[in-house]
Amino acid sequence: DIQLTQSPSFLSASVGDRVTITCRASQGISSYLAWYQQKPGKAPKLLIYAASTLQSGVPSRFSGSGSGTEFTLTISSLQPEDFATYYCQQLNSYPSFGGGTKVEIK
Amino acid sequence: QVQLQESGPGLVKPSGTLSLTCAVSGGSISSSNWWSWVRQPPGKGLEWIGEIYHSGSTNYNPSLKSRVTISVDKSKNQFSLKLSSVTAADTAVYYCARVFNAFDIWGQGTMVTVSS
Repeated sequence: DIQLTQSPSFLSASVGDRVTITCRASQGISSYLAWYQQKPGKAPKLLIYAASTLQSGVPSRFSGSGSGTEFTLTISSLQPEDFATYYCQQLNSYPSFGGGTKVEIK
Repeated sequence: QVQLQESGPGLVKPSGTLSLTCAVSGGSISSSNWWSWVRQPPGKGLEWIGEIYHSGSTNYNPSLKSRVTISVDKSKNQFSLKLSSVTAADTAVYYCARVFNAFDIWGQGTMVTVSS
């Protein structure tokens, strides 16, 4: 099993802040990593796949980087609609998700 | 564009079988994609259940494999999930999703409660 550990699990930030979320894999997964945003009562929304490729229609303030075992999701300037929970997912072997990072308003 | 819609009973008795269907609209289930099921217990994270290709090939989460069956009905453009011997721990929102690069399209989700 490939375990994904996200940090932090909770983040308090202000509009306009630069936010970085980290996802570490228990073994190398190349670039088979995706990031999702989930708002309460809604399905997850794909933001980034292949570690750094922005999904169509996703604002450019979202970016992803990393390969192997360490990955980051960065929001360059946090907007009010970005307050949500973010999950990483690996697709190297059978898919698994990180535990999530809840981004709340400071 | 492709849309997914889950349907099925919202309440299942313990030891029973959970059965859900995901209807695919705006596209063909026979396209070159896998189709997945994911669940989320209340207040918790996401768990991948399994996936199916239109040929009928399947992959399952090893932790659920003994209880899960995913099937496809190309004539109805839908795929289905069966989870047997359910307990309260299977109470969750169940999502279906299309696998293209990652899980790019999701259904709205359906809440299933396991209770007598």
